[in-house]
Amino acid sequence: KAGVTQTPRYLIKTRGQQVTLSCSPISGHRSVSWYQQTPGQGLQFLFEYFSETQRNKGNFPGRFSGRQFSNSRSEMNVSTLELGDSALYLCASSRGAGSFWGAEAFFGQGTRLTVV
Amino acid sequence: AQTVTQSQPEMSVQEAETVTLSCTYDTSESNYYLFWYKQPPSRQMILVIRQEAYKQQNATENRFSVNFQKAAKSFSLKISDSQLGDTAMYFCAFISNIQGAQKLVFGQGTRLTINP
Repeated sequence: KAGVTQTPRYLIKTRGQQVTLSCSPISGHRSVSWYQQTPGQGLQFLFEYFSETQRNKGNFPGRFSGRQFSNSRSEMNVSTLELGDSALYLCASSRGAGSFWGAEAFFGQGTRLTVV
Repeated sequence: AQTVTQSQPEMSVQEAETVTLSCTYDTSESNYYLFWYKQPPSRQMILVIRQEAYKQQNATENRFSVNFQKAAKSFSLKISDSQLGDTAMYFCAFISNIQGAQKLVFGQGTRLTINP
């Protein structure tokens, strides 16, 4: 089956702009989580969506937002970009509910965002 | 707060040797899962091994095994007969299910190099 697909793979934006990243989870997976990976801070949780509802949110400013559609595809948006937002953004999907809550999370290859 | 600590930023061993990566975590939860993920230069996070906290038996997957010490909150990964393809960043991660909300908490990672 197809894996987690993130688009685009690479992105260069200017400070002050906004950006939208997309994630298509594995078919049948209803939980989608987003993580920011930087050399200094490591992997940090942004938010998790399940059945179009945000279930959990990390400690990031309101400029970071997301949503999930009825087909489980998810987008995250960053407004008013700052240089410090340069990072690898990873999306993960899992079955994530009921007896499957501890199931493996499958990751996409990430979107490398560079803010200049 | 839930935290995961990997005390070895970098490790290097010769091919075919055995190597052990350390991980400790802190949580007040009694039911959780622990994972080791591998991130090669391709950036794709891949699950190496998964351990359920309520299971006393240590998980094994071919050349990969864990030493899970619940009381000590320790979760080390042993790689036997290491191969060049094992070269990657390795992340220890933890997940619990609080009111249906889930997030993976990652350690800072250990960069493992297998030398020919």
